[in-house]
Amino acid sequence: GNSVTQMEGPVTLSEEAFLTINCTYTATGYPSLFWYVQYPGEGLQLLLKATKADDKGSNKGFEATYRKETTSFHLEKGSVQVSDSAVYFCALSGTGANSKLTFGKGITLSVRP
Amino acid sequence: GAVVSQHPSWVICKSGTSVKIECRSLDFQATTMFWYRQFPKQSLMLMATSNEGSKATYEQGVEKDKFLINHASLTLSTLTVTSAHPEDSSFYICSGLDRANLNEQFFGPGTRLTVL
Repeated sequence: GNSVTQMEGPVTLSEEAFLTINCTYTATGYPSLFWYVQYPGEGLQLLLKATKADDKGSNKGFEATYRKETTSFHLEKGSVQVSDSAVYFCALSGTGANSKLTFGKGITLSVRP
Repeated sequence: GAVVSQHPSWVICKSGTSVKIECRSLDFQATTMFWYRQFPKQSLMLMATSNEGSKATYEQGVEKDKFLINHASLTLSTLTVTSAHPEDSSFYICSGLDRANLNEQFFGPGTRLTVL
């Protein structure tokens, strides 16, 4: 079945540091890949997505590239801000009419001023 | 993006009682809604897929008689935890599928259930 593996957390960084959060997946066919963010007290929000190999999703300074050869979708940001402190989830969905999402465990990011 | 609300945001109940959680899509019609359960420091686990006007589809290992799902309208789905026990304590999250928005799922803020 489908699965998503995220690096262990939590992660604590200073403001303006570079961020990488690793995500690898196992799936049949060609899934779509997502990063969701959950700010304290709020629901999950879609941060970015990629639907095919070599696609790069980007939003709010975050980027992730769909790497089929390494089955990875690592999240990066060049300069984090305190407001980026949140829980980040990597996820995939099946192809066709199957819209079920499979999530990774999530990782908590804390950014210090 | 579209907004999904959940009510209540947290609830404490005694063992043996039933608890109903509501999930509403506020500004879009959600013919499909999903219910997830999240344990501390773990992933969201899909419990069931709820389609408006039909029976929910439960994931393997989820007791349908214990977790009753009703999706009677295009904007409301409810999850009822029947005869709750302490092991049912968890964070329950719903999402609505917005077909008009490229099938993106919009998530509610979650409901924290504690069973004493």
